[in-house]
Amino acid sequence: DAKTTQPPSMDCAEGRAANLPCNHSTISGNEYVYWYRQIHSQGPQYIIHGLKNNETNEMASLIITEDRKSSTLILPHATLRDTAVYYCIVATNFGNEKLTFGTGTRLTIIP
Amino acid sequence: DAGVIQSPRHEVTEMGQEVTLRCKPISGHNSLFWYRQTMMRGLELLIYFNNNVPIDDSGMPEDRFSAKMPNASFSTLKIQPSEPRDSAVYFCASSLPSGVTGELFFGEGSRLTVL
Repeated sequence: DAKTTQPPSMDCAEGRAANLPCNHSTISGNEYVYWYRQIHSQGPQYIIHGLKNNETNEMASLIITEDRKSSTLILPHATLRDTAVYYCIVATNFGNEKLTFGTGTRLTIIP
Repeated sequence: DAGVIQSPRHEVTEMGQEVTLRCKPISGHNSLFWYRQTMMRGLELLIYFNNNVPIDDSGMPEDRFSAKMPNASFSTLKIQPSEPRDSAVYFCASSLPSGVTGELFFGEGSRLTVL
């Protein structure tokens, strides 16, 4: 029973903004939205997380809808190095909560 | 800041042999996670520890798998006897205490091939 739904793949032109959607319609009030990515043959890498407010860091921005049933990860100026599988995860606690990874979105940045 | 360190990076063994994978978490992190990744099943959580104590091992596939964390700086995942279906990349991750950042730091993984 997947908690999140993501498109299996997306393409984005280099230099453009990559917008990765995620549906989490059954999210509960105390669950956070986490985003990780996995570049080929490397371990997953944390990107960003949020509860209900939009968040931004040096890697990306996270936009969460007001009803919290969906979110969008935005990579503002995609580079070839952003080609990876992106995972959207919902979980209650920080750190000690076991994160369950789905199948993610395979993002390909096109030169 | 060395990150999470896993060894070996690659292991090729024959069916029936014992395999031991090792992980050194980031200093100061008190939670440690073992994940397995295959093409068919994706990333699966096998077990996680909090303050060296196993909290949830429901993902451990069967009795052939065991994990230990004798101290805060070392953990092992052992498979005995190994089978071809155990071939996968095994990732170790660590994190700060709950309520800090929510970020798991993953190692580079150990790629296991069982012939």
